[in-house]
Amino acid sequence: EAGVAQSPRYKIIEKRQSVAFWCNPISGHATLYWYQQILGQGPKLLIQFQNNGVVDDSQLPKDRFSAERLKGVDSTLKIQPAKLEDSAVYLCASSLTSGTVSYEQYFGPGTRLTVT
Amino acid sequence: GQSLEQPSEVTAVEGAIVQINCTYQTSGFYGLSWYQQHDGGAPTFLSYNGLDGLEETGRFSSFLSRSDSYGYLLLQELQMKDSASYFCAVRDLETGGFKTIFGAGTRLFVKA
Repeated sequence: EAGVAQSPRYKIIEKRQSVAFWCNPISGHATLYWYQQILGQGPKLLIQFQNNGVVDDSQLPKDRFSAERLKGVDSTLKIQPAKLEDSAVYLCASSLTSGTVSYEQYFGPGTRLTVT
Repeated sequence: GQSLEQPSEVTAVEGAIVQINCTYQTSGFYGLSWYQQHDGGAPTFLSYNGLDGLEETGRFSSFLSRSDSYGYLLLQELQMKDSASYFCAVRDLETGGFKTIFGAGTRLFVKA
């Protein structure tokens, strides 16, 4: 089966510019996650969708970050305006369900964002 | 609050056994997962413990003790390709549903 797809793989922008990332999860996976991973740290959950509804966005900086998952399939994460501290790898992951059965998350290759 | 602790670095020699510990503190603990991440790569799932005890998958085993809020990943017959970062991740059941919290990761160096 095809894995989680993300684009772009790399992005360099200047601070105060905007950027958008796209993710297409594995077909049939109801749960989609966006993580931010700063170099040398573990992935930090930004937002979690169950189908097209938000389960958790408690760590999403809502003044500058937004995300949507239209039709419960692919998703976009946007940053506007970007700050230097947003430089990180943005990982998208999906799982069959967030219920009791499936705990395994499948990660995409990530988008490496550099803000200058 | 929620927290996970794991060693930042571990070094071992090829062919040896290494154990990476993880202690956690969460409000709605449900299970503990382990992920491997090579430099520049994406995290990949290794194992999950929902119940106390040992889970074995080939050269990798994972253990959980709910009463001690503690788990570990055991890697046997270490190979050079095992050099990577290893993350424990807690699966937490909260009001809105299941949520995942990752630790900061343990960087494993395997030497010849």
